[in-house]
Amino acid sequence: DVKVTQSSRYLVKRTGEKVFLECVQDMDHENMFWYRQDPGLGLRLIYFSYDVKMKEKGDIPEGYSVSREKKERFSLILESASTNQTSMYLCASSLLWDMNTEAFFGQGTRLTVV
Amino acid sequence: GDSVTQMEGPVTLSEEAFLTINCTYTATGYPSLFWYVQYPGEGLQLLLKATKADDKGSNKGFEATYRKETTSFHLEKGSVQVSDSAVYFCALRPPGSARQLTFGSGTQLTVLP
Repeated sequence: DVKVTQSSRYLVKRTGEKVFLECVQDMDHENMFWYRQDPGLGLRLIYFSYDVKMKEKGDIPEGYSVSREKKERFSLILESASTNQTSMYLCASSLLWDMNTEAFFGQGTRLTVV
Repeated sequence: GDSVTQMEGPVTLSEEAFLTINCTYTATGYPSLFWYVQYPGEGLQLLLKATKADDKGSNKGFEATYRKETTSFHLEKGSVQVSDSAVYFCALRPPGSARQLTFGSGTQLTVLP
């Protein structure tokens, strides 16, 4: 069974903390994505990566960075957490060379910044 | 740029009612189209997809037809169940791109017994 695993389901962090969200996939996918989900706004792309050490900004990269040192792992970093980064974060992966394939999602991490 | 517009929610139906959730898109050429479902407390999972014009995707009693002429991909189900209560997202992937999906804002569906 294909799997995208996010390291935490729930996180509570303080304003100003550095926060790491981890995502691992076991499908040997080239593409990995971080989305943010907020009510009424749907899913917005933060960053994506199509290869190890490669990254591209999505629609809302401000306040975030990413790291992809291994093909199966994609980390989202909040350099200095703020309350407006309280949200649900979703990681996804997909094949690079098949535009008809779907993306597979993790279960999500609900982050609260206090 | 590419975009997806979904019917505003929330939608509340009685069990066995007919469901339609509207989705229209803006994209150049022929994107691939997807419907995802998110059950409470879970991530997204693929419900169905269509990759070319006039294709019909179907799964678990849900259907959607890729209509190029109206740039639409409406989701339908003939008889909903309480277990269908979830958030539904329409999404597209642009032609020639195997990279990111663009999502609509989601439609919350609640089915009452």
